[in-house]
Amino acid sequence: ETGVTQTPRHLVMGMTNKKSLKCEQHLGHNAMYWYKQSAKKPLELMFVYSLEERVENNSVPSRFSPECPNSSHLFLHLHTLQPEDSALYLCASSQDDLAGEGNEQFFGPGTRLTVL
Amino acid sequence: QKEVEQNSGPLSVPEGAIASLNCTYSDRGSQSFFWYRQYSGKSPELIMFIYSNGDKEDGRFTAQLNKASQYVSLLIRDSQPSDSATYLCAVNPNNFNKFYFGSGTKLNVKP
Repeated sequence: ETGVTQTPRHLVMGMTNKKSLKCEQHLGHNAMYWYKQSAKKPLELMFVYSLEERVENNSVPSRFSPECPNSSHLFLHLHTLQPEDSALYLCASSQDDLAGEGNEQFFGPGTRLTVL
Repeated sequence: QKEVEQNSGPLSVPEGAIASLNCTYSDRGSQSFFWYRQYSGKSPELIMFIYSNGDKEDGRFTAQLNKASQYVSLLIRDSQPSDSATYLCAVNPNNFNKFYFGSGTKLNVKP
């Protein structure tokens, strides 16, 4: 595997379900991100982890719960979601200790989530 | 004021023409600038990054940065229908793990 991978690629869940999204980066980066992208809307940053510590939480509802067990893996745990949470969920990674050259952010393929 | 502004488009150009995409940003201390291409239903793909004032060329793509005027642009020469996508501008201010994205410009290249 290379780059940033995400599983599952597609997920359909009911409002009472609990599911988890998984992200893995193979780039040796130390920062990982969750973004939400709804139809015809810009990217919304949800969470940022740097060196496995959460450094950003952009007023995300508690029904989204991130977990970063190590610098290569990131999870997004989902429970009691709403239909308006249906979107493309993107994971990204970057090297956090480089300001300027070398801190490019790379995205995974995303998980297309549908909440019924 | 949004941190990063882009014209949403769509920008339509004929095949073989030059497509010019523009982006302005508000944080004067920003250091890193990125262009991503996003096809419908896909994730953003990094196509260019630039850190210094001036031009940076990579194949048919040229990124231009003017820090004094706080804008960054992307030129696509010899545009192809396969270039039709939404182009996202991203800016990294002087904060390592902060990236601000514009809302994207949709480009249509007509055969």
